[in-house]
Amino acid sequence: KNEVEQSPQNLTAQEGEFITINCSYSVGISALHWLQQHPGGGIVSLFMLSSGKKKHGRLIATINIQEKHSSLHITASHPRDSAVYICAVRTYGGSQGNLIFGKGTKLSVKP
Amino acid sequence: GAGVSQTPSNKVTEKGKYVELRCDPISGHTALYWYRQSLGQGPEFLIYFQGTGAADDSGLPNDRFFAVRPEGSVSTLKIQRTERGDSAVYLCASSPGAGGTTDTQYFGPGTRLTVL
Repeated sequence: KNEVEQSPQNLTAQEGEFITINCSYSVGISALHWLQQHPGGGIVSLFMLSSGKKKHGRLIATINIQEKHSSLHITASHPRDSAVYICAVRTYGGSQGNLIFGKGTKLSVKP
Repeated sequence: GAGVSQTPSNKVTEKGKYVELRCDPISGHTALYWYRQSLGQGPEFLIYFQGTGAADDSGLPNDRFFAVRPEGSVSTLKIQRTERGDSAVYLCASSPGAGGTTDTQYFGPGTRLTVL
């Protein structure tokens, strides 16, 4: 069983829809990252959080440490949001570089 | 440009050969990370540098893999006696290095390694 599980694996949405991507993990963590990977490989870090909620533009990330769960929400989705979204965790006591990654959620937003 | 750069962008080699992959981090970033990503999978941690030293090399799969960062900026990932299973995209990232919740990692475009 993977230590970081994401759901769904694939998601297709219509432009304007509210999107939620989920990440569950089975290890103790000190931080959780949400990353965006565009076709062709480029990865952009969206959020790093250890508690509560962060918002940037149309993106919102939440984390519940007790439930070992995080969600990434996209409001008013747009075709340019189409990408793979990856959740990664830094284990408690682990180095800042030693991240465990989920397999990603492939999002496709149709116009 | 001001981002992380990696060279080459693509590398095709034959089984058993030696390869070097280069990463130029963002100027001033003290932390540098190497990951690899196989097709359809999430990235996998290899090694992390703080300055010139490897702070955590626990992700290197075996002793065929080695990385250096002699002057605390550019890093080279070296793979000896390459195997077909080494085929992947090798990603490099850098961060300012504080390690706290604001220490965002900036990723390079990756090097796609294909071992025939």
